[in-house]
Amino acid sequence: NAGVTQTPKFRILKIGQSMTLQCTQDMNHNYMYWYRQDPGMGLKLIYYSVGAGITDKGEVPNGYNVSRSTTEDFPLRLELAAPSQTSVYFCASRRTSVPTDTQYFGPGTRLTVL
Amino acid sequence: AQKITQTQPGMFVQEKEAVTLDCTYDTSDPSYGLFWYKQPSSGEMIFLIYQGSYDQQNATEGRYSLNFQKARKSANLVISASQLGDSAMYFCAMRGHVNTGNQFYFGTGTSLTVIP
Repeated sequence: NAGVTQTPKFRILKIGQSMTLQCTQDMNHNYMYWYRQDPGMGLKLIYYSVGAGITDKGEVPNGYNVSRSTTEDFPLRLELAAPSQTSVYFCASRRTSVPTDTQYFGPGTRLTVL
Repeated sequence: AQKITQTQPGMFVQEKEAVTLDCTYDTSDPSYGLFWYKQPSSGEMIFLIYQGSYDQQNATEGRYSLNFQKARKSANLVISASQLGDSAMYFCAMRGHVNTGNQFYFGTGTSLTVIP
């Protein structure tokens, strides 16, 4: 199994440009999440989805959009990139099977906005 | 408001010794989950252990155990018999239920260095 895959691994954007970060999971998990990790900090939740067609905002959704048309894919869209969006972005899917609860993370996308 | 606090920015431990990483939390949810993740220098996030708020026993996974003290709102990670490969950042996280749906909140992390 590939688990959770993210593309691209690295990207440099100019201010005002837009891009889509791709995330795919092959574990048939309903829950998926997007986080950002700023240097020296923990992860902050941007958006999440509890199933195809259902998304909701997390702590820091401004400047981002998501969609979930299939169980496997959960792309994150950055519109009008700003330097404050320079960060490492992690996608995760979540397996909830009592008694455990586990998130599986992708390898991350390192984004720099100049 | 949901909050996770890790007060130890950095910790050192001798190889083969045990170490405790502290985590306190604050939540208004009656039901919640507590997690620990490891982030090596390579950057990936690795799930270590999970504790449900209604679980009677402390969770254990191999050399990892979670010391859950509900009244004190603490969920400390204990790593026994430390190995050099345990050197990494460790993050405590919480997932609410009723009030916060399925959102996760992370602490700022503790950097653990294992000394040979």
